[in-house]
Amino acid sequence: NAGVTQTPKFQVLKTGQSMTLQCAQDMNHEYMSWYRQDPGMGLRLIHYSVGAGITDQGEVPNGYNVSRSTTEDFPLRLLSAAPSQTSVYFCASSYSIGAIRSPLHFGNGTRLTVT
Amino acid sequence: GENVEQHPSTLSVQEGDSAVIKCTYSDSASNYFPWYKQELGKRPQLIIDIRSNVGEKKDQRIAVTLNKTAKHFSLHITETQPEDSAVYFCAASVNNDMRFGAGTRLTVKP
Repeated sequence: NAGVTQTPKFQVLKTGQSMTLQCAQDMNHEYMSWYRQDPGMGLRLIHYSVGAGITDQGEVPNGYNVSRSTTEDFPLRLLSAAPSQTSVYFCASSYSIGAIRSPLHFGNGTRLTVT
Repeated sequence: GENVEQHPSTLSVQEGDSAVIKCTYSDSASNYFPWYKQELGKRPQLIIDIRSNVGEKKDQRIAVTLNKTAKHFSLHITETQPEDSAVYFCAASVNNDMRFGAGTRLTVKP
């Protein structure tokens, strides 16, 4: 199994550009999520999904959209990039949802710079 | 939403000493508390976790304790080694929302 795969690994955008960060998992996990990591702020939850067709907002959803058309894929879209979105983005998945939690499996991250 | 606070932000110990990192959470409904280790430039990886129906869990040199009444949990690393140097994150999960602390940079000096 490849686990959680994120692409691209690095990306530079200009302010106002849009792009999609890709995330795919091959572990048949129902739960998937996106975090951003900034120095001194830990990992902050952007959006999450508990299954195909279901998404919800996390702690810092503004400026980001997600969709979940399949169990395997959970892309994150930046509609109009801003310098404040410069960060490292991690996708993570887990096999259980609801009251019974299980560990998150993280991808290798995407380092995004917005100039 | 859940709020997780983590202390200290940096911790330096001598090899062989113990290290303790503490976290508090705000939502009494939180029921799952994992700890992650992140080495420089790498992804976070789970090192130990505990659920709300358990007070303590140990795995070799690593242990976690949970005090539900006080809403805090701690990571204990004994006999620290230089390879334990990394950033450690605690997290608390309620339903499908998992929130992380800001992290502790642990340095183990040989």
